[in-house]
Amino acid sequence: DQQVKQNSPSLSVQEGRISILNCDYTNSMFDYFLWYKKYPAEGPTFLISISSIKDKNEDGRFTVFLNKSAKHLSLHIVPSQPGDSAVYFCAASDDYKLSFGAGTTVTVRA
Amino acid sequence: GAVVSQHPSRVICKSGTSVKIECRSLDFQATTMFWYRQFPKQSLMLMATSNEGSKATYEQGVEKDKFLINHASLTLSTLTVTSAHPEDSSFYICSAREVGGVTQHFGDGTRLSIL
Repeated sequence: DQQVKQNSPSLSVQEGRISILNCDYTNSMFDYFLWYKKYPAEGPTFLISISSIKDKNEDGRFTVFLNKSAKHLSLHIVPSQPGDSAVYFCAASDDYKLSFGAGTTVTVRA
Repeated sequence: GAVVSQHPSRVICKSGTSVKIECRSLDFQATTMFWYRQFPKQSLMLMATSNEGSKATYEQGVEKDKFLINHASLTLSTLTVTSAHPEDSSFYICSAREVGGVTQHFGDGTRLSIL
């Protein structure tokens, strides 16, 4: 049973515009959420995280929003750059384990 | 900081061979390391949690005798795929969690191909 879902398998965005990636979860026990970025043939790289006691966390061009009541989080990348083209995984933590979504492939067009 | 090294990056071997994959945390100590498996266009699936100095905890459906895990030190965990068969071909990724932390840092993965 997939507890973390990324319903959009792909996203194409113009360079300079905003990329919005969405993630939904079902387990109300999740208390920490993370976004990872992954290039082909490499392991995921940690991007940004948010605790369940917050609703927003910002780090440079990356902002993560958490809506606990809706069990939904999103990642905003602005402005999008060609180097942002990658697969983005949403992950949620319950105690020490991470549950991952299936990923969203982002393509930034020049 | 928080670099995790995984070796080898790619293995091609015959059916029946046992393959060992190493995962090292280079600049931090990790009492807990994790082993994942990823099928094409799918999510990372947790196989087992490796605890330093104790037995690994396996997820449901993962054969512990097939996937042997050893976490002998605070910086090294190994996964041995025993008597590998073509269905074991996959991308295996390890991660390490800093002591007291939540964020997992990942190695670059191992592409295992069993002929």
